[in-house]
Amino acid sequence: KNQVEQSPQSLIILEGKNCTLQCNYTVSPFSNLRWYKQDTGRGPVSLTIMTFSENTKSNGRYTATLDADTKQSSLHITASQLSDSASYICVVSSISGGYNKLIFGAGTRLAVHP
Amino acid sequence: GAGVSQSPRYKVAKRGQDVALRCDPISGHVSLFWYQQALGQGPEFLTYFQNEAQLDKSGLPSDRFFAERPEGSVSTLKIQRTQQEDSAVYLCASSLTVTGRNTEAFFGQGTRLTVV
Repeated sequence: KNQVEQSPQSLIILEGKNCTLQCNYTVSPFSNLRWYKQDTGRGPVSLTIMTFSENTKSNGRYTATLDADTKQSSLHITASQLSDSASYICVVSSISGGYNKLIFGAGTRLAVHP
Repeated sequence: GAGVSQSPRYKVAKRGQDVALRCDPISGHVSLFWYQQALGQGPEFLTYFQNEAQLDKSGLPSDRFFAERPEGSVSTLKIQRTQQEDSAVYLCASSLTVTGRNTEAFFGQGTRLTVV
């Protein structure tokens, strides 16, 4: 069964600190892996998209890694800010039935405290 | 429009009532997805449209759920005889292409449905 699992489920850090969120997946066939940020009451917003051949991609203070052999990804947030408080969702895309089907993890809820 | 727009933002329905949720995708986007997101969970796939064709409805939880996109742009998700377990945020997403490896999916803000 195609699954995406994230850890930790929730995380509290102090402003200015770094953190790393984890994602393991069992999705086949694999097309790409995405990290989304979802603020409370909003829709998810894309942070990064990585294909099979990419093992790292950065977007400002966000850096995602992908190990396609072990089927693991991480999202590293540097110098956290209060505005980083949100849910971070790992999404794996699989081309199935002729289109990109997105399989979502349950998300990691991050709280950044002053 | 500039982004994916969903309406209403909030809907309270009495159990047994029918509801209709609207999604305006980004103009020209071929693909349109509906997702259901329970509190504290990630979105769960409901259905997929490619233009006006509903190619995948495998995620619809029961025959009370129905979606359409008659002209290949605006889509409506209809839930008949709502039940309390239907309470969730319903998200709509659209993307420009179908199978490109870097196809970006843009999400609306969602409709929060509460069934009382």
